[in-house]
Amino acid sequence: AQSVTQLDSQVPVFEEAPVELRCNYSSSVSVYLFWYVQYPNQGLQLLLKYLSGSTLVKGINGFEAEFNKSQTSFHLRKPSVHISDTAEYFCAVSEYGSNYKLTFGKGTLLTVNP
Amino acid sequence: DTAVSQTPKYLVTQMGNDKSIKCEQNLGHDTMYWYKQDSKKFLKIMFSYNNKELIINETVPNRFSPKSPDKAHLNLHINSLELGDSAVYFCASRPEAGNTEAFFGQGTRLTVV
Repeated sequence: AQSVTQLDSQVPVFEEAPVELRCNYSSSVSVYLFWYVQYPNQGLQLLLKYLSGSTLVKGINGFEAEFNKSQTSFHLRKPSVHISDTAEYFCAVSEYGSNYKLTFGKGTLLTVNP
Repeated sequence: DTAVSQTPKYLVTQMGNDKSIKCEQNLGHDTMYWYKQDSKKFLKIMFSYNNKELIINETVPNRFSPKSPDKAHLNLHINSLELGDSAVYFCASRPEAGNTEAFFGQGTRLTVV
């Protein structure tokens, strides 16, 4: 069965600093990988996704992530964060043949301080 | 135009009551989902329908019953509500083929008192 581990529950950073949110997954088959963002009292918005092809994927708001199959990781990065990036970030995996069921990590709260 | 819309956005009700949450998507997608987000913000899938057919049914109490009158709607009915049912419930949809991205609604915050 698929599972997702987000190693940090909270990540505080200062504005304009770089940030990396870590995500590792476990699966016995090939997977699709996603990062979603949830702003306070909002739904989930897709940041980026890895389906196949290039392992470096770029998303909205200047975020990017790199799929590393050997390390089963899909870490999210941004070179310079803004106050408005403060939100909860969820990594999710969907196994091939699972009817695209998403299994989520427990989330990482990114807090950007001035 | 909201792509995936849920009603109501907030629902406060007493234990033992029966309530429904409605979801509609105007994206023409074939597959719809219900996810539950608990107080610790953990998201877990509950159900999925494809063209009105149930395709995913996770370990959910049978007090929860999804209903899909057509492929644009997936409602969630909950009987005999319990305190532990308090959560945010998210509806999502995705097309059957091609893009595997799921689009989420804004959520329904259910509080059982």
